[in-house]
Amino acid sequence: AQSVTQLDSHVSVSEGTPVLLRCNYSSSYSPSLFWYVQHPNKGLQLLLKYTSAATLVKGINGFEAEFKKSETSFHLTKPSAHMSDAAEYFCAVKMDSSYKLIFGSGTRLLVRP
Amino acid sequence: SQTIHQWPATLVQPVGSPLSLECTVEGTSNPNLYWYRQAAGRGLQLLFYSVGIGQISSEVPQNLSASRPQDRQFILSSKKLLLSDSGFYLCAWGGGRETQYFGPGTRLLVL
Repeated sequence: AQSVTQLDSHVSVSEGTPVLLRCNYSSSYSPSLFWYVQHPNKGLQLLLKYTSAATLVKGINGFEAEFKKSETSFHLTKPSAHMSDAAEYFCAVKMDSSYKLIFGSGTRLLVRP
Repeated sequence: SQTIHQWPATLVQPVGSPLSLECTVEGTSNPNLYWYRQAAGRGLQLLFYSVGIGQISSEVPQNLSASRPQDRQFILSSKKLLLSDSGFYLCAWGGGRETQYFGPGTRLLVL
């Protein structure tokens, strides 16, 4: 069965420093993986997705993620945090042979000035 | 381009009252549609999904129901709200390779 674990419930960084949000997944087959961002009282916005093409995926707003099959990880990174990046981030895996997405519990990113 | 709408944006309802939340999608045909609930400080829980008109799959037993009367319309309903129904309700539609795109959400507070 598929599952997603976001290893940190909260991450705090200073503006201009790198961001690392960690995500590990469990899937029987080669999965499709997604990162979404949610600002307060807003819907989820797709940042990027991995669907068995290049393992390094570039998304919007300078974010990228690397699919590492050997580590079953799909960590989200950004070289330099902006204040506007403060939000909640969700990692998700698409279930095999299903329309459903399984979401992690989320990581709240705080950016300090 | 595709657009997804949800209304109302915010709703305050008394316990025991009925509920109707609406979601519509523009710019695509025969999308897969989804209802999620996000309780305060928690992740997303899939409630219902639909692969076509009149086809609804329920993920969690509860006092909510869903209907899809038209291709791009998805409705979440309840006959009698419970306090535990409070939360943020998100509608999503499924695109290529089943990437899901989310609407702006409805904040429901049951008092």
